[in-house]
Amino acid sequence: AQSVTQLGSHVSVSEGALVLLRCNYSSSVPPYLFWYVQYPNQGLQLLLKYTSAATLVKGINGFEAEFKKSETSFHLTKPSAHMSDAAEYFCAVGDTDKLIFGTGTRLQVFP
Amino acid sequence: NAGVTQTPKFQVLKTGQSMTLQCAQDMNHEYMSWYRQDPGMGLRLIHYSVGAGITDQGEVPNGYNVSRSTTEDFPLRLLSAAPSQTSVYFCASSYQSVFGYTFGSGTRLTVV
Repeated sequence: AQSVTQLGSHVSVSEGALVLLRCNYSSSVPPYLFWYVQYPNQGLQLLLKYTSAATLVKGINGFEAEFKKSETSFHLTKPSAHMSDAAEYFCAVGDTDKLIFGTGTRLQVFP
Repeated sequence: NAGVTQTPKFQVLKTGQSMTLQCAQDMNHEYMSWYRQDPGMGLRLIHYSVGAGITDQGEVPNGYNVSRSTTEDFPLRLLSAAPSQTSVYFCASSYQSVFGYTFGSGTRLTVV
């Protein structure tokens, strides 16, 4: 069965610092991978997705993620954090008929 | 184009009561799913559907029923509410799972 593991339930960074949120996947077939963001009291919004076209995927709000098959990873990064990036971030793997989510990482950004 | 619409947004139930959470989408998506979100546990899949008349169980189906009589609607039924079902429920839909899902704004359910 496919699954994702998010390392670190909470990450804190200073404004302007690098953001790195970790996600490792388990899949017996080439995976479809996603990052979603959830702002307080809102639904989930798609940040970016990997569908095997390119290993470096650019998303909205300056985020990007790199698919590394050798490490079974799909970490999310942003060069410079902004206060508005404070939210919860979910990694997910796509099956043929459903999405399976990780447990989430809450990002705090300090001024 | 409303996307995925969930009603109600908030609900308080007493233990043992039943209710239906509504989910409707206007994007002609075949794939629809229900998740529950609990602190520290991420989103867990309750039930999902790949088209009208076809449903299947996810990771945490106990205590919940679904049906899919039309492409647009995918209601989630709680037959006898329990405090353990206190959670935020999200409905999502997709053209195909591998393209990602569009989420509704959620229903916050409290069972007392």
